[in-house]
Amino acid sequence: QKEVEQNSGPLSVPEGAIASLNCTYSDRGSQSFFWYRQYSGKSPELIMFIYSNGDKEDGRFTAQLNKASQYVSLLIRDSQPSDSATYLCAVRRGQNFVFGPGTRLSVLP
Amino acid sequence: GAVVSQHPSWVICKSGTSVKIECRSLDFQATTMFWYRQFPKQSLMLMATSNEGSKATYEQGVEKDKFLINHASLTLSTLTVTSAHPEDSSFYICSASYVVEQFFGPGTRLTVL
Repeated sequence: QKEVEQNSGPLSVPEGAIASLNCTYSDRGSQSFFWYRQYSGKSPELIMFIYSNGDKEDGRFTAQLNKASQYVSLLIRDSQPSDSATYLCAVRRGQNFVFGPGTRLSVLP
Repeated sequence: GAVVSQHPSWVICKSGTSVKIECRSLDFQATTMFWYRQFPKQSLMLMATSNEGSKATYEQGVEKDKFLINHASLTLSTLTVTSAHPEDSSFYICSASYVVEQFFGPGTRLTVL
C-alpha cells in the first residue's frame, strides 16, 4: 500500500461545478496535510493545509480532514478553466513530506 | 507567502559535464530543504532532504556521489549533478520548509545532450 494515494484522473467537471479531489494516507502518525496545485511544466504551489479534523475554507477551496478514516479531500467551488491542473496531496510526518501521485483536473468551459 | 528561488531556470549541457543548481529561500530561514526530480507526466520524486550544516539524507536509489547536495547556510542549498548523462535530463525542483509548510522553487529544467 502506498503511503499517500490519489485517483490519477483525469477528473473532468464543467465550468461552475464543484470539483472534489480525494486523498487517503496510511500512516496514522501523520500530522498535517497539504494540497498543492501544479500546472504543466511548473512547480507545485501551495493551496492550503489542514491539521485538525473537520473543514477549512479559503475562498473557493475547502479542505476536509477525517483522521479516523485517514482521508483528506479538497473541494473547489465554482470551478474555472484556470483550475485545470494536477492537484497533489501531501502528508507531513516529522520533517518529511510524502506526496501522492496527483489527480489531474480538467474544467471544461 | 514565503519565496523560494532557483537558478538557473533551465540549463543545457554536454554529457559528462557537471551542473550546479542553486536554491535560495529569499525571505525566511529554512532549516530543511528538499530536492525533487520530476519526469514528464510523472509525479514528484524526492531525491534528498538537506539540513543546514549537516549531510543530506538521500532517498533509496539516489546516488549521493552523483547528486551532490550542499546546504551551506539557512538560505542556500545547492545540487550538483556530476558527470551528467542524457538520462539525468529532468525537471529539478527544490523546496524549503517554513514552520509547518513547504514552499517550492520554480524548478530547473536540465537537458543533457
